[in-house]
Amino acid sequence: DQQVKQNSPSLSVQEGRISILNCDYTNSMFDYFLWYKKYPAEGPTFLISISSIKDKNEDGRFTVFLNKSAKHLSLHIVPSQPGDSAVYFCAASVNSNYQLIWGAGTKLIIKP
Amino acid sequence: DAGITQSPRYKITETGRQVTLMCHQTWSHSYMFWYRQDLGHGLRLIYYSAAADITDKGEVPDGYVVSRSKTENFPLTLESATRSQTSVYFCASSTLAGEGQETQYFGPGTRLLVL
Repeated sequence: DQQVKQNSPSLSVQEGRISILNCDYTNSMFDYFLWYKKYPAEGPTFLISISSIKDKNEDGRFTVFLNKSAKHLSLHIVPSQPGDSAVYFCAASVNSNYQLIWGAGTKLIIKP
Repeated sequence: DAGITQSPRYKITETGRQVTLMCHQTWSHSYMFWYRQDLGHGLRLIYYSAAADITDKGEVPDGYVVSRSKTENFPLTLESATRSQTSVYFCASSTLAGEGQETQYFGPGTRLLVL
């Protein structure tokens, strides 16, 4: 049973528009959420995170929103750029510890 | 070079053989991790280590062995490889930078094929 789900395997967005990637979770004990970005033949790289005490965290073009009642988080990228084309993973942890539970990833394609 | 490296990058082996995947980091991070990535599953934690000589099981440890005699190295051994262990293996390291603020830094991965 997957505790972190990314239901969209892929997403295609026009350059300059907003990209919205979604993630759902089932474990109400999760208190820390992260987004990682992965290019082909490379390891994932950290993008942005959010604690469960917040509902929004922003870093430049990237914003993560957390809706605890719906057990849902989303990553917004505005504006989308060609270099944003990658696989995006959502991950979560309990008590902010080191054992991350990962979603299956969403492949984002930015069209020129 | 600074960072986290993995070797080999690609490996083909046969069922029943022993295989060791190497991981080396130059940051002196306390924590190190081994994950496998399979289609449809995201990354799953195999083993992790909080410090030299301290290791613990993750979500999918069966068939794997780890050691951590030095802080900078964290080898992963498949004692008797099986086809189900065909996967991409990622090593990562991290250090606590504040409550909930730590992130994991990943190596480039090792693509393993077991025939």
